[in-house]
Amino acid sequence: DTGVSQNPRHKITKRGQNVTFRCDPISEHNRLYWYRQTLGQGPEFLTYFQNEAQLEKSRLLSDRFSAERPKGSFSTLEIQRTEQGDSAMYLCASSFQTGSGANVLTFGAGSRLTVL
Amino acid sequence: AQTVTQSQPEMSVQEAETVTLSCTYDTSESDYYLFWYKQPPSRQMILVIRQEAYKQQNATENRFSVNFQKAAKSFSLKISDSQLGDAAMYFCASYSGGGADGLTFGKGTHLIIQP
Repeated sequence: DTGVSQNPRHKITKRGQNVTFRCDPISEHNRLYWYRQTLGQGPEFLTYFQNEAQLEKSRLLSDRFSAERPKGSFSTLEIQRTEQGDSAMYLCASSFQTGSGANVLTFGAGSRLTVL
Repeated sequence: AQTVTQSQPEMSVQEAETVTLSCTYDTSESDYYLFWYKQPPSRQMILVIRQEAYKQQNATENRFSVNFQKAAKSFSLKISDSQLGDAAMYFCASYSGGGADGLTFGKGTHLIIQP
């Protein structure tokens, strides 16, 4: 297992187009997170999955955004009708968490979205 | 809700010297964890060090150590014997035991290592 993998690494699209990002987490990890990071800012939480269930969504996740983790393994993040404000790095992270305790996230390298 | 504040947008240190990055946080939770993550240019974020709030002893990982002041809600990172490979963005983050929102990050500190 080589860690958290994200594809594509960079996507350039025109405003109004749909884009989809994929994240392959560490195989034994049950939690998967999506974050958005804009220039000069720290990552901002978007949503997370425990196995295949999407348990939490940030108010940052407008109705143009949808995330899935159909079999509790890989996840996709789709952005419909992209806007220039969607330009950012989209980070995926995974962890193994049961009950309480430190939730140590392992991050992927990110997918950079540029909306023209 | 948790907040994390990093007041130093950029820090510079001479190679082999020591540098301290500041972080303050706010949380209403009694059970929480604090982290420092490093994000090198164009590379993925990696965990540097973590601290459990219930532990009084400051965490240490080789050249990296923290100064955890719980009452002051302060969590600074000290890097000793700075190396060129330490150049990166450093993010302070918090996590509460309830954990629904994952990590809450600060805005980061850009660390420059002068050769």
